[in-house]
Amino acid sequence: SQTIHQWPATLVQPVGSPLSLECTVEGTSNPNLYWYRQAAGRGLQLLFYSVGIGQISSEVPQNLSASRPQDRQFILSSKKLLLSDSGFYLCAAEGPGNTIYFGEGSWLTVV
Amino acid sequence: EDQVTQSPEALRLQEGESSSLNCSYTVSGLRGLFWYRQDPGKGPEFLFTLYSAGEEKEKERLKATLTKKESFLHITAPKPEDSATYLCAVNAGNMLTFGGGTRLMVKP
Repeated sequence: SQTIHQWPATLVQPVGSPLSLECTVEGTSNPNLYWYRQAAGRGLQLLFYSVGIGQISSEVPQNLSASRPQDRQFILSSKKLLLSDSGFYLCAAEGPGNTIYFGEGSWLTVV
Repeated sequence: EDQVTQSPEALRLQEGESSSLNCSYTVSGLRGLFWYRQDPGKGPEFLFTLYSAGEEKEKERLKATLTKKESFLHITAPKPEDSATYLCAVNAGNMLTFGGGTRLMVKP
């Protein structure tokens, strides 16, 4: 079975600072990878997905970016955070039967 | 455009009081309908995948069913530990589209 690791689990960043959230996947090779954001009390919004190394698709215009430098590594970044970037960020990977599995998430508070 | 609507938004039950959560969807080319459980501050935990109308799956007190337009998550004799947000999602391509979730609270 696959395991998804995300870090950091929690961070508080000032407005205008950079961001880097990392995700690694174990137990599978060449998975489709995803970044979702969940604002407080709201559903999950797909931000980016990747079908392979260096292949990134963006679903929502924003000041965030994603990269996939290795097969099982997915990184979410920002050069300058906005207050509206606060939220719960979830990395996910597609497993057998098209099922998407999630990591434990990273809480970001922009102050 | 794929759409997923869950109802009710919140549901309060007494322990042992059975009920159902609804997930209505509009999608072209369904590759799967998924149910997840999410506890506060945690990532969603996979429960079920349903692929075709008429399919049913069970796990402990939970049973998921699927028609061409909606899915139900039936909860039989719930316990307080079943309290969580239940998310429904559809896969019609390379990604999931989620509903807003149903927040279930089971009181002892």
